[in-house]
Amino acid sequence: DTEVTQTPKHLVMGMTNKKSLKCEQHMGHRAMYWYKQKAKKPPELMFVYSYEKLSINESVPSRFSPECPNSSLLNLHLHALQPEDSALYLCASSQVGIQGYEQYFGPGTRLTVT
Amino acid sequence: AQSVSQHNHHVILSEAASLELGCNYSYGGTVNLFWYVQYPGQHLQLLLKYFSGDPLVKGIKGFEAEFIKSKFSFNLRKPSVQWSDTAEYFCAVVEGSQGNLIFGKGTKLSVKP
Repeated sequence: DTEVTQTPKHLVMGMTNKKSLKCEQHMGHRAMYWYKQKAKKPPELMFVYSYEKLSINESVPSRFSPECPNSSLLNLHLHALQPEDSALYLCASSQVGIQGYEQYFGPGTRLTVT
Repeated sequence: AQSVSQHNHHVILSEAASLELGCNYSYGGTVNLFWYVQYPGQHLQLLLKYFSGDPLVKGIKGFEAEFIKSKFSFNLRKPSVQWSDTAEYFCAVVEGSQGNLIFGKGTKLSVKP
């Protein structure tokens, strides 16, 4: 099973709402990632979790709050977002090690902030 | 920091034409390189990868890429494209020990039937 699943597929939220994005993988990967992808642009890294610990935060505003409750799950909590945060949010996972490993991507959550 | 350049923003080809998409990364040493494809409305899929060894790498769907260390390049090729190859293609390089992927800006490939 090389699948990364994400829910929901689409999300529309107001600027005062609180919502969460979920990501799950069952490949035994110990690294998980959140990316943001705007239309016609490449994915941009937001957060990296390695062994359930936050290892990279690419200067993401605090209105985005990641959480890794266990080795298979990754959440992204959203609060007080701005319209410019509308984008496709991608989750990915990979093995961890000295040798590089490929990342497997989920289908993404398309977020619209109104 | 690493950066990735993809030279072509939009490539338009007829079916059966040959394809080569350029990719250059900014600095050397040990590099892990990838090509990902994003078909319309679908998620990113790995086409091929290079970690070490044979610089000519074969991937899925008839794609291949050649790693040329002296040119900091990792160009993607396919001898004969099909309409179903219409997609966005991203070159990426790993930066750092956390596996942080740095993507190029992407090349949109349109194949005319």
